[in-house]
Amino acid sequence: SQKIEQNSEALNIQEGKTATLTCNYTNYSPAYLQWYRQDPGRGPVFLLLIRENEKEKRKERLKVTFDTTLKQSLFHITASQPADSATYLCALLLDDKIIFGKGTRLHILP
Amino acid sequence: EPEVTQTPSHQVTQMGQEVILRCVPISNHLYFYWYRQILGQKVEFLVSFYNNEISEKSEIFDDQFSVERPDGSNFTLKIRSTKLEDSAMYFCASSDLGTGAYTGELFFGEGSRLTVL
Repeated sequence: SQKIEQNSEALNIQEGKTATLTCNYTNYSPAYLQWYRQDPGRGPVFLLLIRENEKEKRKERLKVTFDTTLKQSLFHITASQPADSATYLCALLLDDKIIFGKGTRLHILP
Repeated sequence: EPEVTQTPSHQVTQMGQEVILRCVPISNHLYFYWYRQILGQKVEFLVSFYNNEISEKSEIFDDQFSVERPDGSNFTLKIRSTKLEDSAMYFCASSDLGTGAYTGELFFGEGSRLTVL
């Protein structure tokens, strides 16, 4: 069955640096992959979507890449700020439903 | 900005009791979902709903669960006989286009925390 693996449970990054989060999946490549942000006790908030025929997508300080050969997506936050501290969830389409990885907790240290 | 609203924010119930969690999706959205998140674990898909019927459901969504859209605005999740392991945060989500439409952005509510004692 399709699995989503996110690279680490927690990631500490110094303010101003680039944070890079990894999402790996098994089996077949999805038509698209999404990234969400989740703050403690709150619902996920959609950030970016990247389609299987796209290599890279940007939105302000966010950048997502999608490598169907490696079965991997990378999520970058440049010029990171303490307000970026949250859990970031990778999600992909599987049989008409969106399934989520466990997420990576990101801490931006001032 | 339009948002998905959920009630109650927190419900405590005794094992074996029935619980109804309510959601008001974004008004022009046609696709509705329930997800749950057990504390410290991932967001898990339960069910999707379109055109007044279930379109997908997971193995978790067994006979004790049901969903309904009783009127033009509400979308409910009923758990008939709650178990201890049903304790979780339940999220409602909606989207204007289905997941197959190459957009699939989900708009989530803030969740209903269910505690089963």
